[in-house]
Amino acid sequence: AQSVTQLDSHVSVSEGTPVLLRCNYSSSYSPSLFWYVQHPNKGLQLLLKYTSAATLVKGINGFEAEFKKSETSFHLTKPSAHMSDAAEYFCVVSDFRNNNAGNMLTFGGGTRLMVKP
Amino acid sequence: NAGVTQTPKFQVLKTGQSMTLQCAQDMNHNSMYWYRQDPGMGLRLIYYSASEGTTDKGEVPNGYNVSRLNKREFSLRLESAAPSQTSVYFCASSGRGGSSYEQYFGPGTRLTVT
Repeated sequence: AQSVTQLDSHVSVSEGTPVLLRCNYSSSYSPSLFWYVQHPNKGLQLLLKYTSAATLVKGINGFEAEFKKSETSFHLTKPSAHMSDAAEYFCVVSDFRNNNAGNMLTFGGGTRLMVKP
Repeated sequence: NAGVTQTPKFQVLKTGQSMTLQCAQDMNHNSMYWYRQDPGMGLRLIYYSASEGTTDKGEVPNGYNVSRLNKREFSLRLESAAPSQTSVYFCASSGRGGSSYEQYFGPGTRLTVT
């Protein structure tokens, strides 16, 4: 079984300061990990993904995440927040099942990022 | 490419009414998915279709049925709507079954059951 825990339901930062959104996962297989962003009343957009290549993954809009197997973590960071980063962020885990079952995703509960001027 | 499209965008139903949510993708993806999103719970998988002609239950299938009409289209049906089905519904698709292939999401359908 796989699961994802996003450690903060809300994070508030000032514009121009660093962003840290925390995520821990568990998986019985070698997982793939994703971060998705959802702006208000919109669908989900992929920010970045880890698929067993480099452990430091760079995504869109200046975000990056580091896969740490020993800590079972995949925290999302950005050096300098922008007002347009205000959104909900989802950490997602997927494990490969060799039974043609499709790409099964498990979502964390989400972290709402607020950016103050 | 439109990506993943969903209709309708909004819907209000009375308890006991039925309706079908439509989803289509133009990316030639094999797999398609239906999720519901409730506050504080992320997205939960209702049903999925790993390939044309197959469908399987996800985490929360009760009260729903699906049809994979063809490779492009995957519909979700509520036969007798209940207030507990008030939610935002997302359709998604992915290229293959491997875990490295991310899912692409539609814009969602906001459903209210009174």
